[in-house]
Amino acid sequence: GQSLEQPSEVTAVEGAIVQINCTYQTSGFYGLSWYQQHDGGAPTFLSYNGLDGLEETGRFSSFLSRSDSYGYLLLQELQMKDSASYFCVRGDSSYKLIFGSGTRLLVRP
Amino acid sequence: NAGVTQTPKFQVLKTGQSMTLQCAQDMNHEYMSWYRQDPGMGLRLIHYSVGAGITDQGEVPNGYNVSRSTTEDFPLRLLSAAPSQTSVYFCASSYGGGGGLDTQYFGPGTRLTVL
Repeated sequence: GQSLEQPSEVTAVEGAIVQINCTYQTSGFYGLSWYQQHDGGAPTFLSYNGLDGLEETGRFSSFLSRSDSYGYLLLQELQMKDSASYFCVRGDSSYKLIFGSGTRLLVRP
Repeated sequence: NAGVTQTPKFQVLKTGQSMTLQCAQDMNHEYMSWYRQDPGMGLRLIHYSVGAGITDQGEVPNGYNVSRSTTEDFPLRLLSAAPSQTSVYFCASSYGGGGGLDTQYFGPGTRLTVL
């Protein structure tokens, strides 16, 4: 999506921590959410940030800073099954959602 | 609950043909949407609906129509298929919290090829 920027690829080692950043355009910004998609599969919801700060769900956390127009997804204790594409999604008050182009995460043993 | 179901799973069309992709959900969700995903790309919003009788255009609406006569169903119609519409189509639904950003449940997708 043109209004979201995230890295195209990230590589990390099993057991490590990885952070996937997402910057967005501020016009009408409502919040940010994150999805995981394995090859050939459908996206699955990971996290949603409507307010600034950290949201934690198990090994996954997401952070939002409205003042910096920036958010990130943090994956801890990486497992091989975490190899997938991760998308940040921007929303506005019109319920129109914009997906980023995705970050492909490769977890190596 | 079946969740979000989509039919067909695969479809091949010739240029100029029309067809309808079906999407249904049994979770009583108000918010439903259609996306397309081209290889190596993110999802792009085609059309969405915040409730029965209400639809709106997303990023890439041209060549597609939708209607929402019931809460459960949200069909996507391709009016005159073109090779540029070759893609994977996903339907999604949610309660609509957070301006639609709260948990969206996706169907398994329809893989469409237009020759």
